[in-house]
Amino acid sequence: QVQLVQSGAEVKEPGASIKVSCKASGYSFTNYHIHWVRQAPGQGLEWMGIINPSGGSTTYAQKFQGRVTMARDTSTSTVYMHLSSLRSEDTAVYYCAREGGSGSSFDYWGQGILVTVSS
Amino acid sequence: QAGLTQPPSVSKGLRQTATLTCTGNSNNIGDQGAAWLQQHQGHPPKLLSYRNNNRPSGISERFSASRSGNADSLTITGLQPEDEADYYCSAWDSSLGAWVFGGGTKLTVL
Repeated sequence: QVQLVQSGAEVKEPGASIKVSCKASGYSFTNYHIHWVRQAPGQGLEWMGIINPSGGSTTYAQKFQGRVTMARDTSTSTVYMHLSSLRSEDTAVYYCAREGGSGSSFDYWGQGILVTVSS
Repeated sequence: QAGLTQPPSVSKGLRQTATLTCTGNSNNIGDQGAAWLQQHQGHPPKLLSYRNNNRPSGISERFSASRSGNADSLTITGLQPEDEADYYCSAWDSSLGAWVFGGGTKLTVL
């Protein structure tokens, strides 16, 4: 079965960077793009960007351009999201989600990673 | 970036029908329609419907979506207690070159 398993919770100080992972299993890793979506406490969903695991190409939301980098490791079927210059407003649950076939966007989700930015 | 517009809350009685709305523009919903996601507190979202009322395997027929122009709607019939959740719409915006979400609708089943 399709699974996206994310790394554990993190606590970071303002100005630091974070790298979170999302390991895929149960399907052909390079055939499906992966989104990153975040959700601040009590707030809605916010799209951050998408990566094509096949060639590594990325598209980032304008808001995060210059601060976010997405990468993949095809040998371990894992995608990574790196966010730099963290501030308190980046405190959120970060999800990875698969872009399914035939327009079924966000068809499978990881369990989410709580990232807390605090001094 | 501009997002999609959803009412913050909807309340309906048990076994009634709820219709949730999502308004966009010709670059997003009007172009390719919306996806609908359900999120229970403390859990990741779950895909309910995508592009013109396609339901993933395992999603109940009580959930159906439709599009009219630049707006999409999700209709939930025979409301059950477990339908109480937050519902989000999402669409690809060809003008922004990005996916956009609605702010979410909290559905309360009375």
